[in-house]
Amino acid sequence: DSGVTQTPKHLITATGQRVTLRCSPRSGDLSVYWYQQSLDQGLQFLIQYYNGEERAKGNILERFSAQQFPDLHSELNLSSLELGDSALYFCASSVGASGTGEQYFGPGTRLTVT
Amino acid sequence: AQKVTQAQTEISVVEKEDVTLDCVYETRDTTYYLFWYKQPPSGELVFLIRRNSFDEQNEISGRYSWNFQKSTSSFNFTITASQVVDSAVYFCALSEADQGAQKLVFGQGTRLTINP
Repeated sequence: DSGVTQTPKHLITATGQRVTLRCSPRSGDLSVYWYQQSLDQGLQFLIQYYNGEERAKGNILERFSAQQFPDLHSELNLSSLELGDSALYFCASSVGASGTGEQYFGPGTRLTVT
Repeated sequence: AQKVTQAQTEISVVEKEDVTLDCVYETRDTTYYLFWYKQPPSGELVFLIRRNSFDEQNEISGRYSWNFQKSTSSFNFTITASQVVDSAVYFCALSEADQGAQKLVFGQGTRLTINP
């Protein structure tokens, strides 16, 4: 168990809908990262927050947004969902913001868009 | 741009065999960090090792060992005396030494199957 929690574990929704994925980092970790894992794109970095502030952005679609709250939990909002958004979404956390530290991953949320 | 290549898509071996997973990376930075993660059938990603670009010493942890060679931009992972529980997808990843942010770039992964 990495100490990173994600809810829900599974989510099934229809095209055009909006969903929110939630992540709580390990105790003491200030950075939260979101990744998408799909069969065609592999594991892709979406976005990083550090202590409430956005620090890095990857291939995140405009329909997706994230935020990190004062208690350090983070939410990833996915809107106007398309079939291609079906994927496993991981949250990870680390102590610092820099590129030096290892990231610990949560169990993931499997999103199915029908 | 950074890139990680894991050319072996799938590997299948019999238990107790040694197996090496290859990882080749590209980066223009002189300071960077390399990682290996394991994704067992249950789906979570498990951190295995981190190596910085200035430390080319090989590392051994039990049956696992890592060979980092800057000259060939490779960071290979060897499992000695493989066991069925080693069956998983293994990912190599790279991040640059940005003090303010971190983006992990992952390879496509190698699916390792250990047969009894």
